[in-house]
Amino acid sequence: DTGVSQDPRHKITKRGQNVTFRCDPISEHNRLYWYRQTLGQGPEFLTYFQNEAQLEKSRLLSDRFSAERPKGSFSTLEIQRTEQGDSAMYLCASSLGPDSPNYGYTFGSGTRLTVV
Amino acid sequence: AQSVAQPEDQVNVAEGNPLTVKCTYSVSGNPYLFWYVQYPNRGLQFLLKYITGDNLVKGSYGFEAEFNKSQTSFHLKKPSALVSDSALYFCAVRDFSSGSARQLTFGSGTQLTVLP
Repeated sequence: DTGVSQDPRHKITKRGQNVTFRCDPISEHNRLYWYRQTLGQGPEFLTYFQNEAQLEKSRLLSDRFSAERPKGSFSTLEIQRTEQGDSAMYLCASSLGPDSPNYGYTFGSGTRLTVV
Repeated sequence: AQSVAQPEDQVNVAEGNPLTVKCTYSVSGNPYLFWYVQYPNRGLQFLLKYITGDNLVKGSYGFEAEFNKSQTSFHLKKPSALVSDSALYFCAVRDFSSGSARQLTFGSGTQLTVLP
């Protein structure tokens, strides 16, 4: 297991189209997070899963956004009816629990979305 | 609420000189603090973390950070900068008081440029 994988690396879509991103976390990590990063800014939290349960969602996650982690392994983030403001880098991270001595987020390389 | 401030958007330092990237935080309870580095079009790479214990934390690539509770700071330092250290650096915090959010909150980032 070489780390957190995200697919695709880049996505260009027309406004109004739906897009779906995939994240494969480190296999032993039960926690998974989605963040969004725009140019020149730090990552902003979108949502958090512990196993298959989605435990937290940011106000940034409008009703056009949905995330799933059906079997507690990989996760998908879908954006419906994309808007130009959705253009950003979407980052996935995974971690063990905070009681673990190895607690800390491992990030994937991200999916860069461009809405034209 | 938890928050992080990185007061400098840009830090320039000559190769071989010591570098400092500043970070201050705000939490209600006990902080978990992290530094990450990001290279262009890449995800975030973990550098170091403070959970408990010694206030001086040593991390990857010769970086270290000092936790200062009274000043609520966690500045990143390196005794001798390399050109290859040039990148975007992010400080992040998680508050471990009860009822706090379960995700990391990131600062806006500091672009470090090491001049040859």
